[in-house]
Amino acid sequence: QKEVEQNSGPLSVPEGAIASLNCTYSDRGSQSFFWYRQYSGKSPELIMSIYSNGDKEDGRFTAQLNKASQYVSLLIRDSQPSDSATYLCAVSSGGSNYKLTFGKGTLLTVNP
Amino acid sequence: EPEVTQTPSHQVTQMGQEVILRCVPISNHLYFYWYRQILGQKVEFLVSFYNNEISEKSEIFDDQFSVERPDGSNFTLKIRSTKLEDSAMYFCASSAGGNQPQHFGDGTRLSIL
Repeated sequence: QKEVEQNSGPLSVPEGAIASLNCTYSDRGSQSFFWYRQYSGKSPELIMSIYSNGDKEDGRFTAQLNKASQYVSLLIRDSQPSDSATYLCAVSSGGSNYKLTFGKGTLLTVNP
Repeated sequence: EPEVTQTPSHQVTQMGQEVILRCVPISNHLYFYWYRQILGQKVEFLVSFYNNEISEKSEIFDDQFSVERPDGSNFTLKIRSTKLEDSAMYFCASSAGGNQPQHFGDGTRLSIL
C-alpha cells in the first residue's frame, strides 16, 4: 500500500512568517510530486509541481524534494491570512501509472 | 485560464438509483481522472482514462461504476445503483501529459438518501 504522510496540524503561524509543510511517501519509485491547496468545501488547487531533487521556487512558494529521504516539503514565505487552508501533498508513481496518491493534508492557519 | 467544469454541483439521489456525473476537461488535455473525497477524509483515486480506455482503476471502482467519453468534450462517471457510502465529493481532473500536473474541477457533491 503506497502511503503519503503529512502532519494533520493545525499549523498556526503569524502573518508575515514562513510556514513549513512536510510530507513523506513510501513508494521509492515515485517520480512526480505536487502540492495542492484546498479551502474548506472547495476542490484541490495546484500550487507547485516538482520532479527532481532540490528546490523549486515560484513566488512566495518553494517546494523541496529529497528522493533519498522520500521527503517533500513546501515553504510559504510572507504568509498571508488568505493562505489559511489545507495543504495536500500528492505523489505519482510514474511509469504508466499516473494516479495521484494524496496525504490527508495539513491545516494551516495564518493569524493576522 | 482554461478550467475543468463539472455538473451538477450538487446531486441528491435515493439509494439504489443511478447517477451520472459530468465533466468537461481542459480542451487540449489527454488524460482524465475521477477522484472522490468523503467528508473529512483524504482525496482518493477512482479511475484514470486515456486514449478512450481505462488505464487504471482503484478497488473502490467496482462493477457499479463506469466511465465514458461520449464525445470529444465530455467525460462522465456513472454509478449504477447508489449506496449510502457513495455520498462524497467527486472531483474530475485532467492533465496534458501523464506526469503533468492534474487540474481539478470544482466537484460534484453527491448525497445519497
